[in-house]
Amino acid sequence: GQQVMQIPQYQHVQEGEDFTTYCNSSTTLSNIQWYKQRPGGHPVFLIQLVKSGEVKKQKRLTFQFGEAKKNSSLHITATQTTDVGTYFCAGPKGGSGYALNFGKGTSLLVTP
Amino acid sequence: GAVVSQHPSRVICKSGTSVKIECRSLDFQATTMFWYRQFPKQSLMLMATSNEGSKATYEQGVEKDKFLINHASLTLSTLTVTSAHPEDSSFYICSARDGRGRPGERGGHEQFFGPGTRLTVL
Repeated sequence: GQQVMQIPQYQHVQEGEDFTTYCNSSTTLSNIQWYKQRPGGHPVFLIQLVKSGEVKKQKRLTFQFGEAKKNSSLHITATQTTDVGTYFCAGPKGGSGYALNFGKGTSLLVTP
Repeated sequence: GAVVSQHPSRVICKSGTSVKIECRSLDFQATTMFWYRQFPKQSLMLMATSNEGSKATYEQGVEKDKFLINHASLTLSTLTVTSAHPEDSSFYICSARDGRGRPGERGGHEQFFGPGTRLTVL
C-alpha cells in the first residue's frame, strides 16, 4: 500500500538556523498536507499542496510539492523557539475516502 | 476556523471496563470523521473512518468489536473502547473533515483534529 516516509526523524537547531524536513511517497499523490503538533498537543493543519511543482509560503515557512507529486518539503527560515514541535506530512490513503497516511514526523527542537 | 472538541481529555479506568470518547465538530458539519491512535513520540495510526449514518471503515488489524464507532449525527462521532486492557492505553485523537468546497480550498482534504484523549488502563 501507499507509504509516506519522512526524514529526518529528529532535528536539533540553534535559534536562527534554518530547518528542512522531507517527505517521500511510494506513489503519486493527489495532494499532500502538512501538520504541526506541539509537545502535549494535537496536530494542527498547516497547508495543503495540490499542484505539481507548487510552492507556498507562510511567513518563514516554505512548502514545496515535487514535480512528480511524490515528494514534498517544508523549510523554515531562521527558526524560533516557537517552531518547536513535530511536523508531519500526510497523503491520501487512496480509495474513495479522505483518510490520510501520516509520515512518522520530524521532531524539531530549537534552542535559544 | 474549524473547531473539533473531544471529551474526555483524560481518563483512567480499570482493566475490563469500557470507555466512551466523544468527538464533536463545533462549527461545521462533518460527514466524515477519523479516529487515530498515537503512541508516545510516534506518528498517528489511523484506526477507522467514521461516516455519518453508516458503518465505520476499519483499518487492517483494528478490531471492530473492540473499538466501536458510532457516527449518529453530522457533528458527533463516538469511539468506545470495550473491555479495555493496559495495552489499550494510548492517546486517541479524532479528526473531522469539512465537506464543503473543493479540494485545494477550504473543505478540501484537510482534517481538523480534536485535542485528544489520554486513556490509561490500570
